[in-house]
Amino acid sequence: DIQMTQSPSSLSASVGDRVTITCRASQSISIYLNWYQQKTGKAPKLLIYTASSLQSGVPSRFSGSGSGTDFTLTISRLQPEDFATYYCQQSYSTLWTFGQGTKVEIK
Amino acid sequence: QVQLQESGPGLVKPSETLSLTCAVSGYSISSGSYWGWIRQPPGKGLEWIGNIYHSGSTYYNPSLKSRVTMSVDTSKNQFSLKLSSVTAADTAVYYCARRLGDYADYWGQGTLVTVSS
Repeated sequence: DIQMTQSPSSLSASVGDRVTITCRASQSISIYLNWYQQKTGKAPKLLIYTASSLQSGVPSRFSGSGSGTDFTLTISRLQPEDFATYYCQQSYSTLWTFGQGTKVEIK
Repeated sequence: QVQLQESGPGLVKPSETLSLTCAVSGYSISSGSYWGWIRQPPGKGLEWIGNIYHSGSTYYNPSLKSRVTMSVDTSKNQFSLKLSSVTAADTAVYYCARRLGDYADYWGQGTLVTVSS
């Protein structure tokens, strides 16, 4: 299985802050990396697909970058509705695997 | 708008079979795409269980393969999951999702299944 490791596991930030979450794959996955946002009690929501493509309807303050093994999700200016847990997920291999999640909390 | 809705028992006894159905609206399963099941134990991360295509071809997570069966009913526009010989470790929120190429773009709201006697 391809292991996905996110860092940090959690972070505290203020509204308006720039937030960066990283995701590392245990082997090269090209650009087959997606980011999801999950709020408490809700299903994950697709934010970014194939590393840097913004899903329709997702605010432009979200962006993704990277290729190979190292990827980044950036929230340019954190909004109150962005406090949630974020997961990366690889779709390079037949078995899709997720990172352990990064919880973004209010400072 | 594509919508998915999981249904099934919320409580299953140990050693029995968990059975869930995902009803799809706003999109015909027969049009294509893969359809997947994902689970999330309480307070933990996400695990991909497997996929099924409208033709019935499947892929299962090797860690669950011996216990998982997925099926599709195009006439009802729904697909199903069966997980046999469940234990407390199978307690989780189970989600269904549409797998469009390299990502899952639509998810159901999820249903909590508890394994307990």
